[in-house]
Amino acid sequence: GAVVSQHPSRVICKSGTSVKIECRSLDFQATTMFWYRQFPKQSLMLMATSNEGSKATYEQGVEKDKFLINHASLTLSTLTVTSAHPEDSSFYICSAGQGAAEAFFGQGTRLTVV
Amino acid sequence: ILNVEQSPQSLHVQEGDSTNFTCSFPSSNFYALHWYRWETAKSPEALFVMTLNGDEKKKGRISATLNTKEGYSYLYIKGSQPEDSATYLCAVRRDNYGQNFVFGPGTRLSVLP
Repeated sequence: GAVVSQHPSRVICKSGTSVKIECRSLDFQATTMFWYRQFPKQSLMLMATSNEGSKATYEQGVEKDKFLINHASLTLSTLTVTSAHPEDSSFYICSAGQGAAEAFFGQGTRLTVV
Repeated sequence: ILNVEQSPQSLHVQEGDSTNFTCSFPSSNFYALHWYRWETAKSPEALFVMTLNGDEKKKGRISATLNTKEGYSYLYIKGSQPEDSATYLCAVRRDNYGQNFVFGPGTRLSVLP
């Protein structure tokens, strides 16, 4: 299957700083990528849809100014958590795929804000 | 709001036992259901994509069924092995053309040797 690579796998940052997470499709082009978040004991929840060359689409309740998404190429989407606070500590994971087929996921990023 | 549920939340079985778990979803506006296997520190791995009522799919010792009329899917593992230990996620697609999913909370399986 296709490979999606996500970095970093873990990051600890100080409150008020920004953190960038990268999601790359290694062997296919992805015009659309998806960013999910998972809090402890909860389901993966879609945060936003990243569209190559255009603005991301955010789910209700997700602040677009806090979670900046850039999808500048067909193989790379980035999620920047700006001015991170402890409540942003969570597991973030991206996915990409082609059409209506299965999705391929990155390895996820565990963000801890102290 | 599309809500996907899975049960049980977790289970422990002995090596060699067969087991099954459930994914429930609203039966209206159904497009597709995906099963994923997710080991700690790895990417979720796609197991099955199921679209038609009555679908049955099999991969080795793992199989799945789909009932779209009543809104559930079962995942079966025959003769569980320790390497089957993982979280099994079910995801329902929100539309007919993309990769937009609603996930269940997962079933965490532990197979004891």
